[in-house]
Amino acid sequence: AAGVIQSPRHLIKEKRETATLKCYPIPRHDTVYWYQQGPGQDPQFLISFYEKMQSDKGSIPDRFSAQQFSDYHSELNMSSLELGDSALYFCASSLAEGANEKLFFGSGTQLSVL
Amino acid sequence: DAKTTQPTSMDCAEGRAANLPCNHSTISGNEYVYWYRQIHSQGPQYIIHGLKNNETNEMASLIITEDRKSSTLILPHATLRDTAVYYCIVRVAWVNRDDKIIFGKGTRLHILP
Repeated sequence: AAGVIQSPRHLIKEKRETATLKCYPIPRHDTVYWYQQGPGQDPQFLISFYEKMQSDKGSIPDRFSAQQFSDYHSELNMSSLELGDSALYFCASSLAEGANEKLFFGSGTQLSVL
Repeated sequence: DAKTTQPTSMDCAEGRAANLPCNHSTISGNEYVYWYRQIHSQGPQYIIHGLKNNETNEMASLIITEDRKSSTLILPHATLRDTAVYYCIVRVAWVNRDDKIIFGKGTRLHILP
C-alpha cells in the first residue's frame, strides 16, 4: 500500500539559508500535518492543512511557512535557518471522512543546519 | 497541560506480554484513546485506538477501564523489534473533520533478549 512520501530524506544547510521540505500524502488523503522532532525530543505539531486551507497551527516559527497544493502535496518552507532548526521533520496525512481517522506518518526529513 | 501520564521507561523479556499503562483521568466523553509508537528515528506508527470498549488488532490489544480514566496497551508476544517509544494520546473525535495528534512524553519500552 502507498505510504506518505517525504523528500528529501536528508538535507544539509548552512545558517541563514532556506530549505524546502516536500510531503506527498497517501492517495485520497485530504489532510496533511507537519511535525518537528528535535534530538531527544518528542514530535511537536507545527501546522496542518485540510483541502488546501490551513486548518490548525502549532508552534511554528514565523520564519517557516507551508502550503498544500491542488494535488494535496504539501511543502514546508524554512527561511533564515538557525542551528536550532536542526531536527527531524515528519509529515502525516489522513482522510477527514467520518470520525477518528488515523494519521499516517512519513519517514521524515532529517535537516541539519551547520 | 499533559492529558496523559505514562511511565518513562519499561523493560519486558522477549516473548512475554508487554503491558503499557496510561492514565488519562481528565478524558472527555468525545475523546478517543490512541496509541502510536516510534522506533528510533522512524515516523510514528499507529497501533490501535478505542473509545470505551476493549479493542484488538493484529498488533496489540487495548484495555480501557470502565470509567475511561486509564488504559493498558498489551503487546501479546513482544519481540526485539517492539523496542520503541510508545505514546498514549487522547484525541477528540470529529465527524468529517480531522484533528492533530499531540505527543506527550511516552514510554520507552526495552525488549530484553
